[in-house]
Amino acid sequence: EAQVTQNPRYLITVTGKKLTVTCSQNMNHEYMSWYRQDPGLGLRQIYYSMNVEVTDKGDVPEGYKVSRKEKRNFPLILESPSPNQTSLYFCASSLEGLAGELFFGEGSRLTVL
Amino acid sequence: AQSVTQLGSHVSVSEGALVLLRCNYSSSVPPYLFWYVQYPNQGLQLLLKYTSAATLVKGINGFEAEFKKSETSFHLTKPSAHMSDAAEYFCAVSEGRGSTLGRLYFGRGTQLTVWP
Repeated sequence: EAQVTQNPRYLITVTGKKLTVTCSQNMNHEYMSWYRQDPGLGLRQIYYSMNVEVTDKGDVPEGYKVSRKEKRNFPLILESPSPNQTSLYFCASSLEGLAGELFFGEGSRLTVL
Repeated sequence: AQSVTQLGSHVSVSEGALVLLRCNYSSSVPPYLFWYVQYPNQGLQLLLKYTSAATLVKGINGFEAEFKKSETSFHLTKPSAHMSDAAEYFCAVSEGRGSTLGRLYFGRGTQLTVWP
């Protein structure tokens, strides 16, 4: 089954404790991206990757890191999480960049205390 | 950078009534435009997209949207609402070219409620 898989789906952590949210897709998509969703703000793009080893900042990259060492994986790293990073995070992928359909994961709800 | 405005954070309609969800974007250059739907506790699903082929775009579940360059608008419509249409809808716009080809901007969303 074609899908975008995120882990963990739910996480409660404390300020400053490094964490990684993994994202994996099995559709051989070149484009992958991360978004955060906050009430009343819609979705905001954090980082995106047009292909392996190519990553670029989105609208709200501060406090986040990403890497794209292989096509299927695009992990989101929070080196020192802070409470303002409490949010619902979505990973998405597409075969043809933004000309194609974005397939979204089910989301990862992160709470930073 | 693009700015996407969705007028009305909440829209309520009766079942069978017309659905109209409004979206305006800021750039004068025709970008890629999308409408996504999000059902509770799920990720987003593409309803339709505009990629400069035709100004009237038909999507899934009976939805369609019309791109109007002069008004920088991309409003979503459905002639007859169904209870199953109740969800949150997001308009999204890309830069569509150059070094920011992968940038995607979302509106703040419109929650659609359908009354029986």
